[in-house]
Amino acid sequence: GAGVSQSPSNKVTEKGKDVELRCDPISGHTALYWYRQSLGQGLEFLIYFQGNSAPDKSGLPSDRFSAERTGGSVSTLTIQRTQQEDSAVYLCASSLRQGGFDTEAFFGQGTRLTVV
Amino acid sequence: KNQVEQSPQSLIILEGKNCTLQCNYTVSPFSNLRWYKQDTGRGPVSLTIMTFSENTKSNGRYTATLDADTKQSSLHITASQLSDSASYICVVSYLGDMRFGAGTRLTVKP
Repeated sequence: GAGVSQSPSNKVTEKGKDVELRCDPISGHTALYWYRQSLGQGLEFLIYFQGNSAPDKSGLPSDRFSAERTGGSVSTLTIQRTQQEDSAVYLCASSLRQGGFDTEAFFGQGTRLTVV
Repeated sequence: KNQVEQSPQSLIILEGKNCTLQCNYTVSPFSNLRWYKQDTGRGPVSLTIMTFSENTKSNGRYTATLDADTKQSSLHITASQLSDSASYICVVSYLGDMRFGAGTRLTVKP
């Protein structure tokens, strides 16, 4: 597709279960971001991938959260032992690096995670 | 500590009125600054982009300003419409990275 694709669009899980959220960035985009947005709150940075560099994981809220990006393309955000406070919309964005800087970030539609 | 601060957190205005949203940043060196609009249930979409040398840029009823000396930007919305109800997010690029503000939630009421 032409845009950033996230799946699933909605996920309801039981507390304590593990979940995986997927992001397919725009082809050729080297930078990939994960954010989450709790109800009525702003964007909270989680993790940033840029090419083959070590990812910036400074936003991950706990060790239950992890993310990987395989082959510099698709990324998976994994939340282990989910808690109710993990309920949020998880947004993925990708951008292209040109001249040493990231260009405009394009966002996916997000995955709405509900932990019950 | 978030390096991009936005204010106010939320704002309610009447249809037809003007409003101004603020963005202060501390990141350096600065590359460019973007304002995004995020409708409820959608991903953010870019409104404007400004580089270090640009002071103002308009996109229809949206006008963004930038003061790179004081590291402040504003987004002015003129003659607001109900469809302007959304979150507005300031994004600053630096050293090949981007940092996002938490956004301002704008509600336009009839």
